[in-house]
Amino acid sequence: QQQVKQSPQSLIVQKGGISIINCAYENTAFDYFPWYQQFPGKGPALLIAIRPDVSEKKEGRFTISFNKSAKQFSLHIMDSQPGDSATYFCAADYQGGKLIFGQGTELSVKP
Amino acid sequence: SQTIHQWPATLVQPVGSPLSLECTVEGTSNPNLYWYRQAAGRGLQLLFYSVGIGQISSEVPQNLSASRPQDRQFILSSKKLLLSDSGFYLCAWSVRRNTEAFFGQGTRLTVV
Repeated sequence: QQQVKQSPQSLIVQKGGISIINCAYENTAFDYFPWYQQFPGKGPALLIAIRPDVSEKKEGRFTISFNKSAKQFSLHIMDSQPGDSATYFCAADYQGGKLIFGQGTELSVKP
Repeated sequence: SQTIHQWPATLVQPVGSPLSLECTVEGTSNPNLYWYRQAAGRGLQLLFYSVGIGQISSEVPQNLSASRPQDRQFILSSKKLLLSDSGFYLCAWSVRRNTEAFFGQGTRLTVV
């Protein structure tokens, strides 16, 4: 119940394309769903986050779609750029601030 | 502004040796503090979290321990390292639950 399942494990997208990463969870006690971006050798940094009372949140080229009934949420990166190449993690907040992370998606945007 | 310091950046230790990784946060009070481990090609595994001085919760039984001797200091320790302790260790803090967690730059630990 504490797991967050993320797919795909890796993703290759052409420049200008749309990158889509999906996550699913079981525990309905999760109530905060952030996405983190990590570059090699660095710590993750918050990209965008959503709460379950909202079905969609958009910040620039990044959009989170949230389906509470299906217990799924996804990250869409529009107009993907080579600089977006990184590892992306979905996460869910559990019991007072314990972030549970998905396994990560390694995104490569080809020029 | 708030900053998080984590050191060392890289560490190579022999099997059976002790470990001490330190993390400090500046510019905030009473943060939630976390230790995560990231194995190669895998996600972040929560090891310990703390909501206050001396308050440590362990998420995964293991060869490691954590302490919080001061409000903004979080230490990860081991008495005897195992090969399986190798990984990328990340310290993080947040103001409270359901808010952004800020990560340090990480420590790459290799146990040989």
